[in-house]
Amino acid sequence: GAGVSQSPSNKVTEKGKDVELRCDPISGHTALYWYRQSLGQGLEFLIYFQGNSAPDKSGLPSDRFSAERTGGSVSTLTIQRTQQEDSAVYLCASSERQYNSPLHFGNGTRLTVT
Amino acid sequence: KQEVTQIPAALSVPEGENLVLNCSFTDSAIYNLQWFRQDPGKGLTSLLLIQSSQREQTSGRLNASLDKSSGRSTLYIAASQPGDSATYLCAVDCTGTASKLTFGTGTRLQVTL
Repeated sequence: GAGVSQSPSNKVTEKGKDVELRCDPISGHTALYWYRQSLGQGLEFLIYFQGNSAPDKSGLPSDRFSAERTGGSVSTLTIQRTQQEDSAVYLCASSERQYNSPLHFGNGTRLTVT
Repeated sequence: KQEVTQIPAALSVPEGENLVLNCSFTDSAIYNLQWFRQDPGKGLTSLLLIQSSQREQTSGRLNASLDKSSGRSTLYIAASQPGDSATYLCAVDCTGTASKLTFGTGTRLQVTL
């Protein structure tokens, strides 16, 4: 079946511009996560959605970052007024249930802020 | 704060060798540990998930063990193949309410012909 789909695969933007990254999880997966992978820093948790519950935003690095998940499916991560330090690969993952369930990752969006 | 360490950072072995990748974590109060592989330019592929009550999990040529009390996990790869070349990451779930994983920085494996 289809895996987690992310778009765009690559995004180059100028400092100060806003960007939107999209994630389409595996159908039926109730949990959705955004992670960021920076060179030399490993993977960093950003935000987590579970069903209709309020999202866990504890990993968002600043108020320039926000995310929403519409209809319990597609999610959009928005970064406002991008900075060079936002350059990274943004990975989305979904899992079938909340507890002890393997994460399925998309191929990521490589964001470059110039 | 949970910290996850993977040693070695890089490893090169000839095809056919058995090998062990190591993962250690500082806080033993985990709910599960997962092993992933990441190919260049790709996302992560889940390999094995070990719940805190389990000691090991096996999938094909892969075997992962967990010693929660000592804060260690190993990933054993039998009869390595060039297709196993990738970066292997371990991650621990400390929350129990959501899979908010803490990742290690990975071991980059190269299997040579």
